[in-house]
Amino acid sequence: KAGVTQTPRYLIKTRGQQVTLSCSPISGHRSVSWYQQTPGQGLQFLFEYFSETQRNKGNFPGRFSGRQFSNSRSEMNVSTLELGDSALYLCASSQDRGGETQYFGPGTRLLVL
Amino acid sequence: GQNIDQPTEMTATEGAIVQINCTYQTSGFNGLFWYQQHAGEAPTFLSYNVLDGLEEKGRFSSFLSRSKGYSYLLLKELQMKDSASYLCAVRAVDDKIIFGKGTRLHILP
Repeated sequence: KAGVTQTPRYLIKTRGQQVTLSCSPISGHRSVSWYQQTPGQGLQFLFEYFSETQRNKGNFPGRFSGRQFSNSRSEMNVSTLELGDSALYLCASSQDRGGETQYFGPGTRLLVL
Repeated sequence: GQNIDQPTEMTATEGAIVQINCTYQTSGFNGLFWYQQHAGEAPTFLSYNVLDGLEEKGRFSSFLSRSKGYSYLLLKELQMKDSASYLCAVRAVDDKIIFGKGTRLHILP
């Protein structure tokens, strides 16, 4: 089985722009979670999608949003980028909600200038 | 509030044993995970504990005490490739997964 894939792998944007990141989960996995990882804060939960519905949301401003499609692929969007949004954005998939194991993708490294 | 504490850095010698501790205070508890993350790579799953006790998987073991809000990851027969960050994470209320900031483990030859 192919693993979790994320595109693009690297991205450079400027303040005020918006960005869309994509995640394709492992085939058959229906739950997709997004995380932001920075050296200072570690891994922080952004949101979780299951069956095209947002099931959980972390403590991030409304500039961060996402969606999930019927094939379980997910996108997250960040509008009005700020310098502090520079981070590694990781997507993880699991078969169902509350599953034992989450499989992480390689991440998208976003740099905001 | 939600809080997961683990040491920032640890150093151990190749062939030795190291124990990485994790304490947590979360709203609800539905399981505890340990992940390994090498520099520049994504986290990979190591273990999952939902009941008290020790789970062993080869050179790695994970222990959980729910009453104490405490877990540890035990790594035996350390190898150089074990140099990585180890992340403790708790599935709290509503299935949100909260991560600690990770323990960077350095292995010396």
